[in-house]
Amino acid sequence: EVQLVESGGVVVQPGGSLRLSCTFSGSSFDDFAFHWVRQAPGKGLEWVCLISWDGGTSYYADSVRGRFTSSRHNDKNSLYLQMRNLRPEDTALYYCAKTYAADPYSYLDLWGRGTLVTVSS
Amino acid sequence: DIQMTQSPSTLSASVGDRVTITCRASQSISGKLAWYQQKSGKAPKLLIYKASTLDTGVPSRFTGSGSGTEFTLTISSLQPDDFATYYCQQYSSFSTFGQGTKVQVK
Repeated sequence: EVQLVESGGVVVQPGGSLRLSCTFSGSSFDDFAFHWVRQAPGKGLEWVCLISWDGGTSYYADSVRGRFTSSRHNDKNSLYLQMRNLRPEDTALYYCAKTYAADPYSYLDLWGRGTLVTVSS
Repeated sequence: DIQMTQSPSTLSASVGDRVTITCRASQSISGKLAWYQQKSGKAPKLLIYKASTLDTGVPSRFTGSGSGTEFTLTISSLQPDDFATYYCQQYSSFSTFGQGTKVQVK
């Protein structure tokens, strides 16, 4: 079964840092690009960033650019989101999702269950 | 950045009703539009991609249409399992989601 599993979400103070992980299984990891999408409590989906199949290209939403960094380790079938200078408005359930193919500009055909990040003092 | 405007934000309907949700892009997205269904406490699920192509296993009562900047998701006969929140996503330039449409029981 192809699946994505996120981890690393915790309660962190404003200004703090956190690294989320996303592990992929059931298919060839480096065949796909990946996105991070977040959802604040009771709110809609917000695109966060994307990373290309080889990690060579990443793009970020304005709201996180300069604070968040996406990376991947293809040998470990894993994706990461390094989050710095966290703000209360970053509080959300963070999903990783895979693209249909290697094209990073694609729809998202598989999502994880999400990991909850809470930024609060 | 491309903005996606989805309407309505909430829709009240009954089982058997025909339901239509609209998504408008701030510029042409060349058919690079997807629709997702999200049920409470669950991850989004892909329904439609390339504006009108149903993902595997999606019931045929779901239809996507549109081009350029105007797109619609239609449920021909609403079923109990369809009460959920629906999102559009453009993937022409990076990615943007619409604000969501909650389909609730009338």
